[in-house]
Amino acid sequence: SQQGEEDPQALSIQEGENATMNCSYKTSINNLQWYRQNSGRGLVHLILIRSNEREKHSGRLRVTLDTSKKSSSLLITASRAADTASYFCATDVQGGSEKLVFGKGMKLTVNP
Amino acid sequence: DTGVSQNPRHKITKRGQNVTFRCDPISEHNRLYWYRQTLGQGPEFLTYFQNEAQLEKSRLLSDRFSAERPKGSFSTLEIQRTEQGDSAMYLCASSFGQLIYGYTFGSGTRLTVV
Repeated sequence: SQQGEEDPQALSIQEGENATMNCSYKTSINNLQWYRQNSGRGLVHLILIRSNEREKHSGRLRVTLDTSKKSSSLLITASRAADTASYFCATDVQGGSEKLVFGKGMKLTVNP
Repeated sequence: DTGVSQNPRHKITKRGQNVTFRCDPISEHNRLYWYRQTLGQGPEFLTYFQNEAQLEKSRLLSDRFSAERPKGSFSTLEIQRTEQGDSAMYLCASSFGQLIYGYTFGSGTRLTVV
């Protein structure tokens, strides 16, 4: 079963605008990760935030985590056409499992 | 090449045939994972190796599926008696250490069962 749920499921913006994606999850976690997937390709790890962190930055990416609401957001600033991809949040499963549980993903289209 | 390599990239097979996929992880990574992704969905966990030991398997991994990682290097995923429902992208990923660094994924093997 899927843990994370991205919102919105699809977003279309103009180059230069900011894009915000939200992720909600159901159970307690140790960390939450965001991945990007270009069409028909493997996933690329973007950023990881631990459960004791509230915000993290990496280049044009900003991730927040609210464990009380079981939600996270990914902000991409000054978007580029090359940011067009599907974005997934993924959470670990407490209890010793090594697996990640992915959401269904969100399709971002950045128009030039 | 320092990435995760998967072969073949595409595989078309007839229902009932056996198929085998190969994954070559990043050499320093001791953890290797197989995931399956169907259209419009996120990846779903299949199995996990630490070195050569298969430590975790999903209930999705029916008895027609088997994975190995001999000598803790490359891994193979075999599907016996393929069914149309097996059509999916099979993704391999590797990582170093515990789940704190993120995975490095390969480009996947797309399986089509006709």
